[in-house]
Amino acid sequence: DAGVIQSPRHEVTEMGQEVTLRCKPISGHNSLFWYRQTMMRGLELLIYFNNNVPIDDSGMPEDRFSAKMPNASFSTLKIQPSEPRDSAVYFCASSPLAGFTDTQYFGPGTRLTVL
Amino acid sequence: QQQVKQSPQSLIVQKGGISIINCAYENTAFDYFPWYQQFPGKGPALLIAIRPDVSEKKEGRFTISFNKSAKQFSLHIMDSQPGDSATYFCAASDSNYQLIWGAGTKLIIKP
Repeated sequence: DAGVIQSPRHEVTEMGQEVTLRCKPISGHNSLFWYRQTMMRGLELLIYFNNNVPIDDSGMPEDRFSAKMPNASFSTLKIQPSEPRDSAVYFCASSPLAGFTDTQYFGPGTRLTVL
Repeated sequence: QQQVKQSPQSLIVQKGGISIINCAYENTAFDYFPWYQQFPGKGPALLIAIRPDVSEKKEGRFTISFNKSAKQFSLHIMDSQPGDSATYFCAASDSNYQLIWGAGTKLIIKP
């Protein structure tokens, strides 16, 4: 299995631009998570999908962030407009079962830099 | 009440020594306590996890010790190797709530 696939691996953009991060979860996994990691705030859960349905989006910082999961094999995280404070590593993770008490398999992450 | 406090922030251990990282939680409803290992440029990966019905779980050189009454759990790495150098995160959850992550411990094993 290829594991969780994320693209792009690195993204450099200018403030105000739209950024779209992509994730392909492990086949057969029912849960998908988007995390943001920074030195200051550590790992933060942004949103959790189960069976393609958003279950918990309480971690989404503000309306500039949106996430979709149109099918079981693809999810996007969009930031519009981007700001320098959005600079972070964004991880997608998937899990075989619903909820948070099963192993989460993380992708390699997307390092986002907003200038 | 949802915090998980992890210490130390960084740790240097000689090769062959024992590395010990500690975590404390507050929410008595938590019933799942995983440890994740993260290498630079990679995503975290599950190392070992424990549930509160046991006080200890061992997998190879890695052991979780769990103290329910003190609301603490720790990771012990025996015979630490340079390849163990990474950042380690503890976390806690219950079935209805998201994983609460510790701040991480950067472990360096000196050859």
